[in-house]
Amino acid sequence: SQQGEEDPQALSIQEGENATMNCSYKTSINNLQWYRQNSGRGLVHLILIRSNEREKHSGRLRVTLDTSKKSSSLLITASRAADTASYFCATDSGSARQLTFGSGTQLTVLP
Amino acid sequence: KAGVTQTPRYLIKTRGQQVTLSCSPISGHRSVSWYQQTPGQGLQFLFEYFSETQRNKGNFPGRFSGRQFSNSRSEMNVSTLELGDSALYLCASTGEYQETQYFGPGTRLLVL
Repeated sequence: SQQGEEDPQALSIQEGENATMNCSYKTSINNLQWYRQNSGRGLVHLILIRSNEREKHSGRLRVTLDTSKKSSSLLITASRAADTASYFCATDSGSARQLTFGSGTQLTVLP
Repeated sequence: KAGVTQTPRYLIKTRGQQVTLSCSPISGHRSVSWYQQTPGQGLQFLFEYFSETQRNKGNFPGRFSGRQFSNSRSEMNVSTLELGDSALYLCASTGEYQETQYFGPGTRLLVL
């Protein structure tokens, strides 16, 4: 079963704008990761944030984690058409090798 | 380093048949996890193997099984295929003491 929901389910923005997507989960976690998937292909790891961290940056990505609200957000700044993809959050509650994924956000960046 | 590879990339089977999918992890990675992705259920964990032993198992029927070889390559098998088994099957490998899973391109299975 899925850990939680992602919001919004779909997001359409213009190139250069920022995109924010949110993830909620149900149980306590060790860490939370974000992945990108292009057109039903494999998942590409974007960033990992540990349960004792509140914010993390990687290039144009900024991730926040609020364990009290069991939620995380992914911000992509200055989006590009190549950012068009589905974005998934995944939590690790016990074994790091058994991830529980959210439902995903489909991001479309219009040129 | 070469990434995770999965074969075959596409497969068409009929109900009742069985299928075997293969996954080669990143060199040096000893953990391989398998996931099923469908439009209805999303991404769901199937099982994880480490050093030829199954360490974790998701909530799937016994028709789904797997194994891992001494070179860390893994196979998953689905017997008595059902229409609902049509999905993208993804495997991921993880290095020891690492937390990030690296995914392969997936095998798309269509059951007719």
